[in-house]
Amino acid sequence: DTGVSQDPRHKITKRGQNVTFRCDPISEHNRLYWYRQTLGQGPEFLTYFQNEAQLEKSRLLSDRFSAERPKGSFSTLEIQRTEQGDSAMYLCASARRDHYGYTFGSGTRLTVV
Amino acid sequence: DQQVKQNSPSLSVQEGRISILNCDYTNSMFDYFLWYKKYPAEGPTFLISISSIKDKNEDGRFTVFLNKSAKHLSLHIVPSQPGDSAVYFCAASDRGQGNLIFGKGTKLSVKP
Repeated sequence: DTGVSQDPRHKITKRGQNVTFRCDPISEHNRLYWYRQTLGQGPEFLTYFQNEAQLEKSRLLSDRFSAERPKGSFSTLEIQRTEQGDSAMYLCASARRDHYGYTFGSGTRLTVV
Repeated sequence: DQQVKQNSPSLSVQEGRISILNCDYTNSMFDYFLWYKKYPAEGPTFLISISSIKDKNEDGRFTVFLNKSAKHLSLHIVPSQPGDSAVYFCAASDRGQGNLIFGKGTKLSVKP
């Protein structure tokens, strides 16, 4: 169990640029989640995969956001035409089929300037 | 509208004393509740959980109490240690394996 790995840890980008984040879940976990956390707030749900199927998307996930999980392994979260309001910590978590608790990665901190 | 509320943004406790963190929820369909702890620059770490069919769950120094009629849960840490200083998030689930809904967190400071 090597934990949930997220890359990069930090990303600074100019407004209007596209960014992509990667998440490698714990290998035996079939569920994968993306959350976003801003200062003073708790993690907010963005989207959820069970294996390779994207089963749920939050209304927070505008059409500039897209997530994939090819082959049910790692996942990517892409933000197109970034805006300053996208600045946040993006957290990935994975979980086993039969377990409520998630294991979170350390997150990717995005700063849009 | 916030479905999971942590009304105390911060709490300061003396080492060795009890820390009590509170959480209220509005959705009566929530059937599982969890507490996570978060240190700066790290992701949240699972701490303890409780099913809605129970009213108490204990794990070492950590105990979670659930009062379904009041839609309230609390996390007790006793004795508190300086290493417990972190932000604590309450989370709830209403669909078993669906997504968790988090509160805004309470920052606990345990002073030596």
